[in-house]
Amino acid sequence: DAGVTQSPTHLIKTRGQQVTLRCSPKSGHDTVSWYQQALGQGPQFIFQYYEEEERQRGNFPDRFSGHQFPNYSSELNVNALLLGDSALYLCASSPVGGLSEKLFFGSGTQLSVL
Amino acid sequence: AQRVTQPEKLLSVFKGAPVELKCNYSYSGSPELFWYVQYSRQRLQLLLRHISRESIKGFTADLNKGETSFHLKKPFAQEEDSAMYYCALTGQRSSASKIIFGSGTRLSIRP
Repeated sequence: DAGVTQSPTHLIKTRGQQVTLRCSPKSGHDTVSWYQQALGQGPQFIFQYYEEEERQRGNFPDRFSGHQFPNYSSELNVNALLLGDSALYLCASSPVGGLSEKLFFGSGTQLSVL
Repeated sequence: AQRVTQPEKLLSVFKGAPVELKCNYSYSGSPELFWYVQYSRQRLQLLLRHISRESIKGFTADLNKGETSFHLKKPFAQEEDSAMYYCALTGQRSSASKIIFGSGTRLSIRP
């Protein structure tokens, strides 16, 4: 089991562009959460997807959107990129109804906005 | 406001010395508290949670509701403990609930 996999590992974009990040959950997991980790900070919750719907959302603007596919994989889309969107984006997966301790993180996608 | 505060960005101790990583939280209700760890070039992973009252790799953490603290302790530090440590909380014991993280403390163990 490869665990939670994210792609790409690194990405460079310019202001105003759009970006799509991808996540495949751990085998047996069907819930996917996304976190943003700015340099020197802890991860911040963006949103969570279950049954292809956004179930919970953190304090992020509508420029941040997501999607979950029938195979439980997920995408994070960010439109109109700002310099402040530069961060490590983490995906975490968990089994439905799973307890908090069953959350597994991916290695992240490092996004740089120039 | 829901918040986790880790006052130390960096903590450096000698091998064999005691370690205490501080964590204070603000939450209206009864949160579940965690410590996550990230070793060099590895993923963020759960170290321990308050409800299990367990000791992992020699680390323990006691929830003090009066002081709203959840400090991480180890009596004798080892070099392999060097890592980034994050205190975190969630409002309910379910993966459906978002996790709020502190800003982290880098623990460096000197030989």
